[in-house]
Amino acid sequence: GAGVSQTPSNKVTEKGKYVELRCDPISGHTALYWYRQSLGQGPEFLIYFQGTGAADDSGLPNDRFFAVRPEGSVSTLKIQRTERGDSAVYLCASSLNLGTDTQYFGPGTRLTVL
Amino acid sequence: QKEVEQDPGPLSVPEGAIVSLNCTYSNSAFQYFMWYRQYSRKGPELLMYTYSSGNKEDGRFTAQVDKSSKYISLFIRDSQPSDSATYLCAMSAGLTSGTYKYIFGTGTRLKVLA
Repeated sequence: GAGVSQTPSNKVTEKGKYVELRCDPISGHTALYWYRQSLGQGPEFLIYFQGTGAADDSGLPNDRFFAVRPEGSVSTLKIQRTERGDSAVYLCASSLNLGTDTQYFGPGTRLTVL
Repeated sequence: QKEVEQDPGPLSVPEGAIVSLNCTYSNSAFQYFMWYRQYSRKGPELLMYTYSSGNKEDGRFTAQVDKSSKYISLFIRDSQPSDSATYLCAMSAGLTSGTYKYIFGTGTRLKVLA
């Protein structure tokens, strides 16, 4: 498909476990963004990449959260020692370039920490 | 106080009505204003993108930005049951702030009754 894809669509894990969430941006898009959306709230910024480098990671809540984009395309959001408060929908977006280009969102990964 | 305020609703209107959705904000650096539509268990879908103040029309949708009042609106004409969704406003300061992250409102749930 031509849109942003995210896998898995749902992830259930136990408290304390490690999880990885994957995002495939729209082909040719150089900027990639991660947001987190809790129930009844709007998306909350986590981090964005221009190419392979994290240009702004100011939204990551603590050092348990980490994201990579090693080849400038696919990105992985990694969460260590998951907590119940990490339960949310994790959204990925991409834009053609960093700057004024609009962000197009994927369907999200619903993470549930038991 | 949140940077972006949006009434969560729910807002119920009869089919064919004109719908008015609004957001207020506190950060005068915001230059880019977006409206997204989000269906249940889906990712946000871009509806409108506006730079600075003014109006923009696209089909049944009109976006208005009043930077002097720090107030933005989305109008939906001839509303349809298929418009039932959550509408999210989003804003970005862009280059002036050195970051391109979006700040979202909480979203307004809209229900259009047939």
